[in-house]
Amino acid sequence: DAGVIQSPRHEVTEMGQEVTLRCKPISGHNSLFWYRQTMMRGLELLIYFNNNVPIDDSGMPEDRFSAKMPNASFSTLKIQPSEPRDSAVYFCASSPGGNYGYTFGSGTRLTVV
Amino acid sequence: AQTVTQSQPEMSVQEAETVTLSCTYDTSENNYYLFWYKQPPSRQMILVIRQEAYKQQNATENRFSVNFQKAAKSFSLKISDSQLGDTAMYFCAFMNPSGGGADGLTFGKGTHLIIQP
Repeated sequence: DAGVIQSPRHEVTEMGQEVTLRCKPISGHNSLFWYRQTMMRGLELLIYFNNNVPIDDSGMPEDRFSAKMPNASFSTLKIQPSEPRDSAVYFCASSPGGNYGYTFGSGTRLTVV
Repeated sequence: AQTVTQSQPEMSVQEAETVTLSCTYDTSENNYYLFWYKQPPSRQMILVIRQEAYKQQNATENRFSVNFQKAAKSFSLKISDSQLGDTAMYFCAFMNPSGGGADGLTFGKGTHLIIQP
């Protein structure tokens, strides 16, 4: 199993541009999570999906952020327009359900200049 | 809402020593799960150990063990015979399973552990 796959690993973009982060969860995992990590705020849950359906997006900071999961093997997190304060590491994680903890991807380091 | 507190921003010990990282949490739930994750410089988040709140026995995984004190809402991680590869950020995390396991993890701010040669 290749684990949770995120792309790109690094992204540098200019303020105002659209950014799309991608995630492929582990096959068979029915829960998917997007987290953001910053020095100031630590790890924050942005949104999670269960069986491709968004369950809780209360952690999404603003309307500039949106997430989709069109099928069980793919999810995107989009920021439009991006701002310098969005600079962070964004993690995707998946879980088979139950309470076994989550498997994280390697993260995308986003820098908005 | 649950909160997780890690009071030690950074710790440093010599190789082969034993080190304990502290974690406390606040919840009104009776059934929940606790985790420790390791994040080395590669930034990969790695699950180290998990504990079910309804189990009195402390979880153990090789050199890693926990001291779970439910009444005190404390969940510390002990690393025995520490190795250079243990150098990493360590995050304590809480999960309320009431949502069927789909609830997100709530993380502490982390402890940066440095193992000195």
